[in-house]
Amino acid sequence: DAEITQSPRHKITETGRQVTLACHQTWNHNNMFWYRQDLGHGLRLIHYSYGVQDTNKGEVSDGYSVSRSNTEDLPLTLESAASSQTSVYFCASSERASGEPTYFGPGTRLTVT
Amino acid sequence: DAKTTQPNSMESNEEEPVHLPCNHSTISGTDYIHWYRQLPSQGPEYVIHGLTSNVNNRMASLAIAEDRKSSTLILHRATLRDAAVYYCILRDPNSGYSTLTFGKGTMLLVSP
Repeated sequence: DAEITQSPRHKITETGRQVTLACHQTWNHNNMFWYRQDLGHGLRLIHYSYGVQDTNKGEVSDGYSVSRSNTEDLPLTLESAASSQTSVYFCASSERASGEPTYFGPGTRLTVT
Repeated sequence: DAKTTQPNSMESNEEEPVHLPCNHSTISGTDYIHWYRQLPSQGPEYVIHGLTSNVNNRMASLAIAEDRKSSTLILHRATLRDAAVYYCILRDPNSGYSTLTFGKGTMLLVSP
């Protein structure tokens, strides 16, 4: 069965370090997304991609970057981790058409100390 | 995405039907109504979507008002595993945008 996986599932890092969260999908979807979820804010869009070499900023993109070198992967990089980036991160993917369902990964819990 | 309004929380007993309402009075003619749910400590999960006609799948049913200004997600027999936050989201397939905008959703509590 097709799936979307994230790694690591849990990560503790120190302020100022660079961190990369992996996202891999086997749906062969063109669209991929990164969201973060915090208490009191719900799910917010960080970055998204509509295909290889395409990346776009979402609502809360400051301090984050993504790159799309193939269809299956969209890694999320925190350039210099800050305590405000402590959160749960969800990767998602969908077909090209915007009316189609979006499928989410299990999430990565990141703690920045 | 157009705005939706949902109750903050609802309660149900196990094995009883649950009707989760969603108001979307500013819906446009091309907006699809999507429902997602998020179980504790998991990522959001697609439940169902529809445009005008009622829809059924293995997870739930979606009842859409004739004027499309409201809809209801129906869980026919709630189980403890259905306890989750349910999100109602409008999607315009013609907008060119595939991102989802999540509101606060409805937290469904299911009692044994």
